[in-house]
Amino acid sequence: DSGVTQTPKHLITATGQRVTLRCSPRSGDLSVYWYQQSLDQGLQFLIQYYNGEERAKGNILERFSAQQFPDLHSELNLSSLELGDSALYFCASSATGVRGQPQHFGDGTRLSIL
Amino acid sequence: QKEVEQDPGPLSVPEGAIVSLNCTYSNSAFQYFMWYRQYSRKGPELLMYTYSSGNKEDGRFTAQVDKSSKYISLFIRDSQPSDSATYLCAMSAQYDKVIFGPGTSLSVIP
Repeated sequence: DSGVTQTPKHLITATGQRVTLRCSPRSGDLSVYWYQQSLDQGLQFLIQYYNGEERAKGNILERFSAQQFPDLHSELNLSSLELGDSALYFCASSATGVRGQPQHFGDGTRLSIL
Repeated sequence: QKEVEQDPGPLSVPEGAIVSLNCTYSNSAFQYFMWYRQYSRKGPELLMYTYSSGNKEDGRFTAQVDKSSKYISLFIRDSQPSDSATYLCAMSAQYDKVIFGPGTSLSVIP
C-alpha cells in the first residue's frame, strides 16, 4: 500500500460530460502529480501541485484542470470528454516540490468514455 | 527518437532465472534513475531509485546506471512468479519532470 488514495476506482461516462477525479497524497507529502496512462502513449505527466500551488505542467489539455486544496488533497477535472480521453489516470505524491524525487503512486482511476 | 526507450517484451522466463531489463535514453542531463513495478490494475510501485552512475542492490534486485552509454538496467535474481508484472524505467534531470519508459512486460513461469 503506497498510502496514496484515489477515488473513484472506475468511472464510466459519455462524450461531452465532465468528471472529477480525487486524490489524497501520502501523509506528509506536499506534492501531487497527475499522470495519464494509455496503451499507446504510456505514462504521461499532466500536472504537478506543491503545497496548494501549481508547480509544473506537462501534456495537459485545456479541457483538463486540477487543483490542490489546503488539506493537500487534489482533484483533476476533465470536461467536454472525448472517446480518446479513455485511459487510466494516476495520482502520485512526493515529500517536497523538487521534481526528480521518488514518487509514490495510487492505484488509479479507470475512465471509460462511451 | 523517444527520450526513453524500453523493449516492451513480453519477456517470459522460468522461475529461478536471472532477469535483465534495460532502458536507453537520449538526454545526457538525466541524473535520477528509477525502476517501477506495475501489476495489472494497480499503480506503479517504486522499486529502485539511484542518482548518477553506479550500482545499487536491494535484496534480489540490482539497478545499474551507465551514463556514458546512456543505458540503465534492472537485474532480478532468483525470479519468482510474483515478479510477473510490467517494469517501467523512469528518469529525470535535476529539477525537471520524470520521464517514463513504455514498460517491459515480464512473465515468470513456475
